[in-house]
Amino acid sequence: QTVVTQEPSFSVSPGGTVTLTCGLNSGSVSTSYYPSWYQQTPGQAPRTLIYNTNTRSSGVPDRFSGSILGNKAALTITGAQADDESDYYCVVYMGSGISVFGGGTKLTVL
Amino acid sequence: EVQLVESGGGLVKSGGSLRLSCTASGFTFSGYGMTWVRQAPGKGLEWVSSSTSSSSSIYYTDSVKGRFTISRDNAKNSLHLQMNSLRAEDTAVYYCARWRGNYFHMDVWGKGTTVTVSS
Repeated sequence: QTVVTQEPSFSVSPGGTVTLTCGLNSGSVSTSYYPSWYQQTPGQAPRTLIYNTNTRSSGVPDRFSGSILGNKAALTITGAQADDESDYYCVVYMGSGISVFGGGTKLTVL
Repeated sequence: EVQLVESGGGLVKSGGSLRLSCTASGFTFSGYGMTWVRQAPGKGLEWVSSSTSSSSSIYYTDSVKGRFTISRDNAKNSLHLQMNSLRAEDTAVYYCARWRGNYFHMDVWGKGTTVTVSS
């Protein structure tokens, strides 16, 4: 069974930079998995941030960026702001129509 | 404005059925794949099912295969999820999302509808 791994929690200081990662329990995440990233604040619907590894969705500020770091997909937030405090989810596409969400990372800005 | 609005959620007993709907507006619904994603209380997001624009290809996560059926009516700009044999573990907020088959991601989300399955 495919498991997508994310850090359960992370903290960053206002103005700081943080990198969240997204891995696979078996193998590496590459661009072939078309990793995407979503932001969700409590009680709200998800918001699409990044797709196709590093393409920002419409309206997403450029302080959010996506990449592959080693064997994982990564979401980097540069110049973190208070309203970046959210849950962040990655998704990898496994082929045959199957998408798998990671467990999410709860980001605290303090 | 591109918008997705879910409806049909509610309280149902274990073993019962429920039909969710998602009404799209602001874009050419027939030109896009669609997907359902759910979130159990206090838990993360889980992909449930996807349909291509013409319903030619349909996909389900293993835990709902044989119980849930995704369908769409392009003439009415609507997506549906028929949920049968419901279990307590199906309790969740169900989100409808537009699915982009070029890069396999969701780009527009509804606000969700809540399904509660009581045992």
